Amino acid sequence: GAGVSQSPSNKVTEKGKDVELRCDPISGHTALYWYRQSLGQGLEFLIYFQGNSAPDKSGLPSDRFSAERTGGSVSTLTIQRTQQEDSAVYLCASSHTTNNEQFFGPGTRLTVL
Amino acid sequence: GENVEQHPSTLSVQEGDSAVIKCTYSDSASNYFPWYKQELGKRPQLIIDIRSNVGEKKDQRIAVTLNKTAKHFSLHITETQPEDSAVYFCAAILFGGLTFGKGTHLIIQP
Repeated sequence: GAGVSQSPSNKVTEKGKDVELRCDPISGHTALYWYRQSLGQGLEFLIYFQGNSAPDKSGLPSDRFSAERTGGSVSTLTIQRTQQEDSAVYLCASSHTTNNEQFFGPGTRLTVL
Repeated sequence: GENVEQHPSTLSVQEGDSAVIKCTYSDSASNYFPWYKQELGKRPQLIIDIRSNVGEKKDQRIAVTLNKTAKHFSLHITETQPEDSAVYFCAAILFGGLTFGKGTHLIIQP
């Protein structure tokens, strides 16, 4: 079946603009996760959803970051007033339930000029 | 929150030799420990995982060991091949999002 998909694959924006990143999880996966990977760095947890609710938002770096998930499927990560330090690859993952294998999407490469 | 330390940051081995990557974690309640392989420009992919009720798990050339008392777990790759070259990440979880180590760049020398 189809894996996790993300769009856009690349996004270049100007400092101060808002961006919206989209994640389509594997069908039937109830858990969805957002991570950030800066160039040559590890993966940083941002937020996870169980169904439509977000039990853990502890990884969001600032109040400029928000995410939502509707219908227990698609999720969007929104970054307001982007800064250059927001430049990174944003990875989405999904799993059947929590504490199971997380399948990653291809990521969105965000560049803030 | 959970903290995961991973060593070494770079590991170079001769093709055919074994490679060992070690991780420690801080939260004794963590109960799931996956290992991901990430090739350049690609997404992370799970290669093996272990749960806290198991001490060792093996899948062909790859094995993971877990010492709950010491709070450390290790990845062992035997008979390394050129296609094993990649960055490997360990991770730990209690529930929700994974906490990752900073990664090990494994280089297989021909």
